Amino acid sequence: DVKVTQSSRYLVKRTGEKVFLECVQDMDHENMFWYRQDPGLGLRLIYFSYDVKMKEKGDIPEGYSVSREKKERFSLILESASTNQTSMYLCASSEWVSETFGYGYTFGSGTRLTVV
Amino acid sequence: DQQVKQNSPSLSVQEGRISILNCDYTNSMFDYFLWYKKYPAEGPTFLISISSIKDKNEDGRFTVFLNKSAKHLSLHIVPSQPGDSAVYFCAARRVQGNEKLTFGTGTRLTIIP
Repeated sequence: DVKVTQSSRYLVKRTGEKVFLECVQDMDHENMFWYRQDPGLGLRLIYFSYDVKMKEKGDIPEGYSVSREKKERFSLILESASTNQTSMYLCASSEWVSETFGYGYTFGSGTRLTVV
Repeated sequence: DQQVKQNSPSLSVQEGRISILNCDYTNSMFDYFLWYKKYPAEGPTFLISISSIKDKNEDGRFTVFLNKSAKHLSLHIVPSQPGDSAVYFCAARRVQGNEKLTFGTGTRLTIIP
């Protein structure tokens, strides 16, 4: 089974801190994604990456950056954490399944970040 | 602009009855729709999907219906079981471009024993 591992389950950081959220997948998937989940807003895409050193902005990239130096690792960076970035962060990777299905996603368990 | 909406934030259903979760979308370019299930402290897991060329897809207790003219899809769970209690997200994908998914706002389903 594909595993997507997020390094921290819970994090508490102070306003203004630089925060790194790490995600590692073990199945050589090319595509990786960072989402945040908020009540009433669902899952919103922050950034995604199709390959090493490649990245594209999602729907809500403001205040975030990403790094993909190795295929298996995709890091989300909060340059200067703010209280409105308190959220559940979910990493995912995807692979091509079939013509009829398209890409299949596998999600990590999430990191609940609290910014105080 | 929320392109995929689930208007019911929560739903409670008696065990053994049918659960119906609804989802509306605005982007007519979406060509593939998926339902994910999420338990607390876990990532979403894939449940069932449907292509825009179909109007129904069934997998065991789960059936997804698609009404393209109304831009509406629904997930039916029959019979509902306590283990079905979770948050359900519908998601949609566009025809062209990359394969990124657009997710809905989620519905928390509670099955009452």
